[in-house]
This record gives sequence, C-alpha cells and structure tokens, in this order.
Amino acid sequence: GAVVSQHPSWVICKSGTSVKIECRSLDFQATTMFWYRQFPKQSLMLMATSNEGSKATYEQGVEKDKFLINHASLTLSTLTVTSAHPEDSSFYICSAREGTVGTYGYTFGSGTRLTVV
Amino acid sequence: AQSVSQHNHHVILSEAASLELGCNYSYGGTVNLFWYVQYPGQHLQLLLKYFSGDPLVKGIKGFEAEFIKSKFSFNLRKPSVQWSDTAEYFCAVISNSGGYQKVTFGTGTKLQVIP
Repeated sequence: GAVVSQHPSWVICKSGTSVKIECRSLDFQATTMFWYRQFPKQSLMLMATSNEGSKATYEQGVEKDKFLINHASLTLSTLTVTSAHPEDSSFYICSAREGTVGTYGYTFGSGTRLTVV
Repeated sequence: AQSVSQHNHHVILSEAASLELGCNYSYGGTVNLFWYVQYPGQHLQLLLKYFSGDPLVKGIKGFEAEFIKSKFSFNLRKPSVQWSDTAEYFCAVISNSGGYQKVTFGTGTKLQVIP
C-alpha cells in the first residue's frame, strides 16, 4: 500500500532557530499533501494544504510566515517552522492524498515531535 | 463551519464485547467520511472510508461503519473486540467546495480492551 515517510521523527531545537520537516510519498505521486498539528489529548488540526507547484492554502489562524510549506515535487513536501518558540512545541503530522476523485486515500506519516527549548 | 464530534472520549470494554463509536458531523454539502486508528506508538492508519454507494462500509480487522445521512452520522462498529483493538480512533470528514478540500478530524476516542 501507499507509504508516507516523515522525517525527522523527533527534533529538539533552541528558541529562535528554524526547523524543517520533510514528508515524502514513497511509492506514489502526491499532488496534494496536508500538514496537521496535534496537541496533547486533542484532535489533529489541519494547518495547511500543500499543492505541488503552487502556494499552500493555510487554515485560518495559521501564520504563513511562521510555518513555511514547500511542495516542490510530486513526492516531497516540507514544513519549516521559522524562529521557533516553546509554544510551537507540538506533534506535526503530514498526510498525502493518493488515488483519483471518488476514491481518494489519505496516508499519514509517522509524525514529528518538535520540542523547542 | 465544518465540524466533527466524537462523543465518547474514552471507552473501556472487555474482550468479545461489541463496540460502537459515535461520529457526527456538521456540513451541508457532500462529504467523504473516514475512520482512522492509531495504535500505541504507531501512526494513523485507515480503517475504512465512505465516498458513495452502500452506506454500510466494511473495513479492515472486522470493523464496519454506517453512514446515515439524515443523522449526519458515521458510527464505527465491531461485533466482538479483541485486546489488540486497544487504540485511539479518529473520525474524519472531508468536504469539497469550489475545488478545495477541507479535512476535519474528530477529537478521537481512546478504546481500551481488557483481556
């Protein structure tokens, strides 16, 4: 089945630095990928929809300049948390959409635990 | 605005008991519905999905869900749970509007199955 690889699994960074998270579809092409954030004991919150070759669509309340998304190829989307602060510490998950209209599947990466100190 | 409600936050069952997890959504248009499972220490995996057709959907590992449009519900069921079903279950709704897909997850239900 479809596999999505997310890297790194966990990262610790200093406040003020930037962190890049990669999301790769390993055996299929994903024109659309999604980035989520999950707080403890809460649901997955969609941050943005990433479309290959175009600008990402951000959900209301998500800072575009803080969470930079690049979807330069059909198999790779990246999320860069810029000037990270402790409140950005969270679990970030990507998913890639595969299939055709009417049969779409959404495969999730294993997530990235970001801790900002 | 689109929303998804999972009323049961934590469910504890004995092995062989029957399971039903509630999922209700609010959205006036056409939706696609999903149930995902997250086993301890693992990532989200698809259990089943509904796009159209038969509202009773069969998924993996003996799970099924029924889409009742009039009730805006997509409850997950399993006739006899096993200890290995201990996990967190998420209902998700995907709507399409103007070519833009919006994905909304419920808050999840933690299922604990006691041997």
